[in-house]
Amino acid sequence: DVKVTQSSRYLVKRTGEKVFLECVQDMDHENMFWYRQDPGLGLRLIYFSYDVKMKEKGDIPEGYSVSREKKERFSLILESASTNQTSMYLCASSLFRQPQHFGDGTRLSIL
Amino acid sequence: TQLLEQSPQFLSIQEGENLTVYCNSSSVFSSLQWYRQEPGEGPVLLVTVVTGGEVKKLKRLTFQFGDARKDSSLHITAAQPGDTGLYLCAGDRQGNNDMRFGAGTRLTVKP
Repeated sequence: DVKVTQSSRYLVKRTGEKVFLECVQDMDHENMFWYRQDPGLGLRLIYFSYDVKMKEKGDIPEGYSVSREKKERFSLILESASTNQTSMYLCASSLFRQPQHFGDGTRLSIL
Repeated sequence: TQLLEQSPQFLSIQEGENLTVYCNSSSVFSSLQWYRQEPGEGPVLLVTVVTGGEVKKLKRLTFQFGDARKDSSLHITAAQPGDTGLYLCAGDRQGNNDMRFGAGTRLTVKP
């Protein structure tokens, strides 16, 4: 079974802090994704990556950056956290054009 | 505006009833997936449909892909409390290497 592991289930940070969310997958998938999930808005794509050191902007990249130094790890970075970035963050991985496998999410609160 | 519009947004029914939820778009998709998400967990894939007009059955769940590959429906027969959850559709647009999600239908099945 594919395992996608997100480093934290719950995280509380302060406005202005730099925040790192980590995601690791164990199935050698090329593609990795970061979404945020908010009530009534569904999953919105922040960034995705289709190879090591490659990244593509999704629909809402503002205020975020990503890093993919190794194939199995995809990091989401909030450069200077703001309260409107309080959300559930979901990481996913997949083979090319195949369904995605999700982690259990990180519920991030910015105070 | 969401690329994929799901309806209804909320649905509360009694055990044993039938229901249909819809996923509509003006875009054409190479494939479309349905996921179910339970509280505190990431979405889990239910089915992928790839051919226009395709119908797939998963026990009491029937999935249909529209002939033009722009829409899909999920029909549940004799719903059970275990069917409770958030149902998400996601589409893989032609020529794109990413996935877009609808906002979801939150289903509650009361015993």
